[in-house]
Amino acid sequence: GEDVEQSLFLSVREGDSSVINCTYTDSSSTYLYWYKQEPGAGLQLLTYIFSNMDMKQDQRLTVLLNKKDKHLSLRIADTQTGDSAIYFCAESPDTGRRALTFGSGTRLQVQP
Amino acid sequence: IAGITQAPTSQILAAGRRMTLRCTQDMRHNAMYWYRQDLGLGLRLIHYSNTAGTTGKGEVPDGYSVSRANTDDFPLTLASAVPSQTSVYFCASSDSEANTQYFGPGTRLTVL
Repeated sequence: GEDVEQSLFLSVREGDSSVINCTYTDSSSTYLYWYKQEPGAGLQLLTYIFSNMDMKQDQRLTVLLNKKDKHLSLRIADTQTGDSAIYFCAESPDTGRRALTFGSGTRLQVQP
Repeated sequence: IAGITQAPTSQILAAGRRMTLRCTQDMRHNAMYWYRQDLGLGLRLIHYSNTAGTTGKGEVPDGYSVSRANTDDFPLTLASAVPSQTSVYFCASSDSEANTQYFGPGTRLTVL
């Protein structure tokens, strides 16, 4: 079945780079996503990558996809205190249902 | 542009009561979803609808029902609430390109 796993917690200093990792099991995934959730708020789409791509860069965000190892990472350059949040990895399986399968989230804490 | 709205924002409900959570989107997306978010479990799909007039079951559908009479609205009903349904409920909709999902702000439901 589908499964998405993430580490629970990451702490970095302001100005450093953050790397949040995710592994997934469904080899038929067509798209993979990163969402951000701030306290008390809904999920905000940060970026996504199509499964035939290796890398996608969007301003401070870099997504790397290793399809062979089913590994996805999100790198945040020059991490700011406003980046403190929970980050969710999600995959879109190639099924008619089209719903996403989410990891349990990584809490990023940015220390000043 | 409102995107997705959910109502109520929060609710405290006695066990055994019936409750409908409302969700409306103005983006004309065909697909809509209901997830619940519980601590340490990420988001789990309750029900989904790929288009108006159709619905389907997700991972955790028991105790919930949905309807999709039109494109914009996707209400979630708890016929007889139980304490295990205490959770934060998120509605989402997706466009056809890249299946990117957009989330509402959530409804925090407490069943006593």
